[in-house]
Parts: sequence; structure tokens; C-alpha cells
Amino acid sequence: AQSVAQPEDQVNVAEGNPLTVKCTYSVSGNPYLFWYVQYPNRGLQFLLKYITGDNLVKGSYGFEAEFNKSQTSFHLKKPSALVSDSALYFCAVRDPALNTGFQKLVFGTGTRLLVSP
Amino acid sequence: KAGVTQTPRYLIKTRGQQVTLSCSPISGHRSVSWYQQTPGQGLQFLFEYFSETQRNKGNFPGRFSGRQFSNSRSEMNVSTLELGDSALYLCASSLGGGITGELFFGEGSRLTVL
Repeated sequence: AQSVAQPEDQVNVAEGNPLTVKCTYSVSGNPYLFWYVQYPNRGLQFLLKYITGDNLVKGSYGFEAEFNKSQTSFHLKKPSALVSDSALYFCAVRDPALNTGFQKLVFGTGTRLLVSP
Repeated sequence: KAGVTQTPRYLIKTRGQQVTLSCSPISGHRSVSWYQQTPGQGLQFLFEYFSETQRNKGNFPGRFSGRQFSNSRSEMNVSTLELGDSALYLCASSLGGGITGELFFGEGSRLTVL
């Protein structure tokens, strides 16, 4: 079964410093990986995705993620954190068992990012 | 372009009651998925509809059901509510035609069961 793991419940970083939120995956076949962000009492917002191609994927709000096949990782990064980046971040993998165009995602447990001023 | 709209945003029910939640997808999106989010279980897939047909269902009891209308709007229903059904229910829409499209989520309906 497809799965992703987010080993850190919380990441703390000072504003202006680089941030990394970790994600590792376990899939059969090619992975289709996603990052979403959730602000308090809000739904999930799409940040970026890796389907194929360049290992470095750029997304919304200055975020990027690096796909590493040998380490089965898809870490989310940002060169300079903002206080407004404080939120809950979810890594997700598409369940590839279905080839009908169905978009089921399997989510990680989430990592709370806290950026201090 | 309007996003995914979920109603109601908040609701309180008592055990044994039933509830119906509504989701209007982004215009042109034909796929609607539902997820349950709880602190203990995280985000779990409920079911997905495409062109009024349920294409897949997650591991939830039969008390959880849904449907999709011809205009792609979707509803989910939970009958005989239990305390453990308290959660944020998220609806997501997508074009549904390929593997590269991301899901667009609504703000969610927060259900509290007393």
C-alpha cells in the first residue's frame, strides 16, 4: 500500500532562516507526491507536486521540494521562513492502484511548522 | 473563479441523529472526493464521485454515504451519529480526467457530535 511518513510532529524555525519539513514515501511504481498546507480552521491548500521530470519542484509561496529516489524522500523547503508560514503541512502520495484518473490521496500525519519572529 | 464551497461550516448534532453535508465543486470539475480529518486518525479518504458515480470508497461503515448530482454538486450523509464522528469533513474537487491534477479543497464542515 502507498504511504508517506512525516517523522516530525513539529518544526521550529526563526524567521529568515531556511526551513525543511521532511517526508519519506513508500510506493510501488512511480510516486506521485504532493504537499499541502492547512491554516487554522481552513481547508488544505495545494503547494506543489512531483509527477516526473526535475527532482527540484517549485511551488507556491516560495516553497520548493526535492524528490530523492534513492532516499525515497520528498522534503519541503524554503530558503527564508516567514512568520506567516506557520501552519500544518501535509505530504501526500497518490494511490496508483487505480488507473481511471481517480485522484485518491494518502496523507501523512502532518507537521506543524512554527516560525518565530 | 469560485473555489470549492462547503455548507454548513459548523454544526452540532447529538448521538443517533443524522447529518447531511454539501459540497459545490469548482466549475468544470467533475470529480468530488470527501475526506475526514480528526486529530487521532489524521486525514482519511471517505469516497469519490465522478459523473454521478461512486468510483471508490474508503474504509468507513455503511452509515457514511454520499451522492453526486448532475451538476457535480455532492452531498455526504452520516446516519446514526456517534461521538467518534466528530471531525472536520473536507470536500475536494478535481477535473478527474488524469493523474496529474491536484485536489482543490473546500474550507470544510466541522461536525461536533454530543
